[in-house]
Amino acid sequence: NAGVTQTPKFQVLKTGQSMTLQCAQDMNHNSMYWYRQDPGMGLRLIYYSASEGTTDKGEVPNGYNVSRLNKREFSLRLESAAPSQTSVYFCASSAGLAETQYFGPGTRLLVL
Amino acid sequence: AQKITQTQPGMFVQEKEAVTLDCTYDTSDQSYGLFWYKQPSSGEMIFLIYQGSYDEQNATEGRYSLNFQKARKSANLVISASQLGDSAMYFCAMREVRNFNKFYFGSGTKLNVKP
Repeated sequence: NAGVTQTPKFQVLKTGQSMTLQCAQDMNHNSMYWYRQDPGMGLRLIYYSASEGTTDKGEVPNGYNVSRLNKREFSLRLESAAPSQTSVYFCASSAGLAETQYFGPGTRLLVL
Repeated sequence: AQKITQTQPGMFVQEKEAVTLDCTYDTSDQSYGLFWYKQPSSGEMIFLIYQGSYDEQNATEGRYSLNFQKARKSANLVISASQLGDSAMYFCAMREVRNFNKFYFGSGTKLNVKP
C-alpha cells in the first residue's frame, strides 16, 4: 500500500499561472482533505470531501477549487496563482471518528 | 474561539529526560477524538497517539502517553526518555462527532532535545 500520494513534490509558478495538485489514497477512505502549512505555522484546512461527490470549504478556501474525482482521488486547483499561495500543501485521508488522518508527503509550492 | 490551543511555541529538554507538551481544547460535544502528530524537519506528518473522549484510561504508545484531563479540557503529550530524534514540531488536533470530517489543529510546539 502506498498510502497517500501527492504530485508534484515541488512546483514553481509565476503569478497568474494555474496548476492542479493531485492526491490519491489507496486505503478506501471516505474522507479526504487539503491543508496548507505556512512557515512556522500549523495546518489550515482549505477544502475537504466527506465522500465521493461531495466537497466543503474549510478555513481558507479562497483562490482554490477542488474535485473529488472518485473515492481515491482528490485534486486541488489554483486558477490564478498569487504569491500569498506560496506554501506547503498536504493532502490527507481518514476513515471513522476514532481514526487518524494519514498524510501525503506534501507539495512545496513557490509562486513568484 | 480557538478549538485547539498550544501555548508553548518552543521547548528544550535534555536527552533522556521526560517532557510534557501542553494542549487544551474547546468543544461542547460529548464525543470527540484527540490526536497528536509529529513533524520532523523533513516535513512529513507522523501520527503518534489517539485519545477518545469516552476512553477512561490515558492512551499510551511506547514512549508517548497522553495525559487526558477531561474536566480541564486538556490533552497533554508526555514523551518519556527523550531522544535526539524527538526534535520536531508537535501538533495537537481534535475531531468532533458532530462534524467528524473536520480536524482542528493547534499551532504546534517545537521541541528541541539537547544532548
